[in-house]
Amino acid sequence: QLQLRESGPGLVKPSETLSLTCTVSGGSISNTAYYWAWIRQSPGKGLDWIGSVFHSGNTYYNPSLKSRVTISVDTSKNQFSLKLKSETAADTAVYYCARQPFLVVPPAIGYFDSWGPGTLVAVSS
Amino acid sequence: DIQMTQSPSTLSASVGDRVTITCRASQSVSSWLAWYQQTPNKAPKLLIYKASTLETGVPSRFSGSGSGTEFTLTINSLQPDDFATYYCQHYKPSSPATFGQGTKVELK
Repeated sequence: QLQLRESGPGLVKPSETLSLTCTVSGGSISNTAYYWAWIRQSPGKGLDWIGSVFHSGNTYYNPSLKSRVTISVDTSKNQFSLKLKSETAADTAVYYCARQPFLVVPPAIGYFDSWGPGTLVAVSS
Repeated sequence: DIQMTQSPSTLSASVGDRVTITCRASQSVSSWLAWYQQTPNKAPKLLIYKASTLETGVPSRFSGSGSGTEFTLTINSLQPDDFATYYCQHYKPSSPATFGQGTKVELK
């Protein structure tokens, strides 16, 4: 059974970089049928897709966050990671990692069919 | 970005009721639409994708319909576990995925 779990600091200082890791178990991150995604949920803004990565390292990012986001993958550890620069209080949220089927026709990334439990990240000095 | 608007924001219902939630897109998303259920302090759970395809393991009392800009999620015979918040999400190719603001189904 596929499981995803987020890990990382629960508190980040303003202007610093948030780093989170998602560990995948019960399945291979190298499965070509899926991308691997980060999504966040804040009380004021609801659910926001941050970006997604393929096992090859190919990425899609939300244009609204693209300038601050890097998502990478480590297939040897079955993990993928999120870095979000220049944190502000507006980045305080629960961050989820999720699996995202790759749609072949047309080539695109889709919905999110398996989620981690989420991790709360607060931005505060 | 494509905006997704759900209505109502809150819905009061009783066990056994049939409830319908609407999701409207600011432009056509064809059938590239998913529905999720979220209970407090838990991650969202996929219910339906491609507007009307039930995810494996999801009870058949859940159904989805629609295409283009208007979609509905229907729950037939509401069960105690169904009191939750429901979100729609589009995944139209070449557009960043966006979610609706959510519809909370609460006990009347």
